Amino acid sequence: DAEITQSPRHKITETGRQVTLACHQTWNHNNMFWYRQDLGHGLRLIHYSYGVQDTNKGEVSDGYSVSRSNTEDLPLTLESAASSQTSVYFCASSETSWGGTDTQYFGPGTRLTVL
Amino acid sequence: QKEVEQNSGPLSVPEGAIASLNCTYSDRGSQSFFWYRQYSGKSPELIMSIYSNGDKEDGRFTAQLNKASQYVSLLIRDSQPSDSATYLCAVNSLTGQNFVFGPGTRLSVLP
Repeated sequence: DAEITQSPRHKITETGRQVTLACHQTWNHNNMFWYRQDLGHGLRLIHYSYGVQDTNKGEVSDGYSVSRSNTEDLPLTLESAASSQTSVYFCASSETSWGGTDTQYFGPGTRLTVL
Repeated sequence: QKEVEQNSGPLSVPEGAIASLNCTYSDRGSQSFFWYRQYSGKSPELIMSIYSNGDKEDGRFTAQLNKASQYVSLLIRDSQPSDSATYLCAVNSLTGQNFVFGPGTRLSVLP
């Protein structure tokens, strides 16, 4: 069965370190997304990609970067981790179609703690 | 700024009752609407999608859409304790592939 996986599931790091969160999907979806979820803020879009070599900034992109070298993967990098980036991170993917009707499917999430 | 608003709750209903969850959105260009359920510590999972005005039923769930009022709701009939979760409303525009999520409503179904 097609799925979307994230690794690691839990990560503790220190302020200033570079951290990369992995996201891998086997749906063969063109679109991939990274969100963070914090109490009181719901899901907020960090970065997204509509295809290979395409990346775009979302609502809360400062301090994060992504790259898309193939269809299956969209790793999220925190260049210099800050305590404000302690959060739960979700990756999602969707198919492309005109009309914006496609459902997003979510990975299991990564809980990141920055000390 | 596109916004999606929901009552944060918690909304408490007794087992067997109807739970009514509401969502309003600001972007009149919105064309597709989704309800996700999220259990504590888990990822969001799709319950319903709706694209046209009116009602859409799927088992115990009914989604209602009124584009003129910019309002979408989710009714859960015969609520069960297993329905206790946070329900997220998501809205997408005609030309975009990006969702805007509401903050979620926490539902508690009491046995």
